[in-house]
Amino acid sequence: DAGVTQSPTHLIKTRGQHVTLRCSPISGHKSVSWYQQVLGQGPQFIFQYYEKEERGRGNFPDRFSARQFPNYSSELNVNALLLGDSALYLCASSRSPSRGADQPQHFGDGTRLSIL
Amino acid sequence: AQSVTQLGSHVSVSEGALVLLRCNYSSSVPPYLFWYVQYPNQGLQLLLKYTTGATLVKGINGFEAEFKKSETSFHLTKPSAHMSDAAEYFCAVSELSANFGNEKLTFGTGTRLTIIP
Repeated sequence: DAGVTQSPTHLIKTRGQHVTLRCSPISGHKSVSWYQQVLGQGPQFIFQYYEKEERGRGNFPDRFSARQFPNYSSELNVNALLLGDSALYLCASSRSPSRGADQPQHFGDGTRLSIL
Repeated sequence: AQSVTQLGSHVSVSEGALVLLRCNYSSSVPPYLFWYVQYPNQGLQLLLKYTTGATLVKGINGFEAEFKKSETSFHLTKPSAHMSDAAEYFCAVSELSANFGNEKLTFGTGTRLTIIP
């Protein structure tokens, strides 16, 4: 089975632009989470979606938004890009978001976003 | 809120030597704990996890970790380091979101492991 796939793998934007990152979860997984990993740091939680509904949001500004589609794929959108948005953006999928499900999240290889 | 502290941002060991990467957590509820490995230009790969039951957890590539509640620790070990173990390692704790009881991961800042030939 294919793992979590993300596109594009690399992206270069300039300040003030908008970007859309895409994620396809593992087949059968209905929950998708997004993380931001700044160079030299651990990943930081941005969003979690399940059944097309937002189920959790991290401490990120409203410039960050996301959505999940009926096929459970997801998009992360960032508006008015800042230099500080340069990071590796990771998508993770799991069968459900419930802690009781006793399962880890599976990560994609990420999209590296560079802001000039 | 739950948190994770990884002691030592960089660890170097000789090939064949013991690997010990330290992780301490803070949690108000019984934690679910994870170790992930990240190779350059790649995403995160799960090494092992602790949820309930046996406190000594064995993972892939010969790694294991022991959950010690009294010390709030979940240190990662491997008896004999291999050159292919060179990577960034992240400890994480599962945290319940405020709504719906959903799970999110809170990560430590990572430990870069270097293997000396």
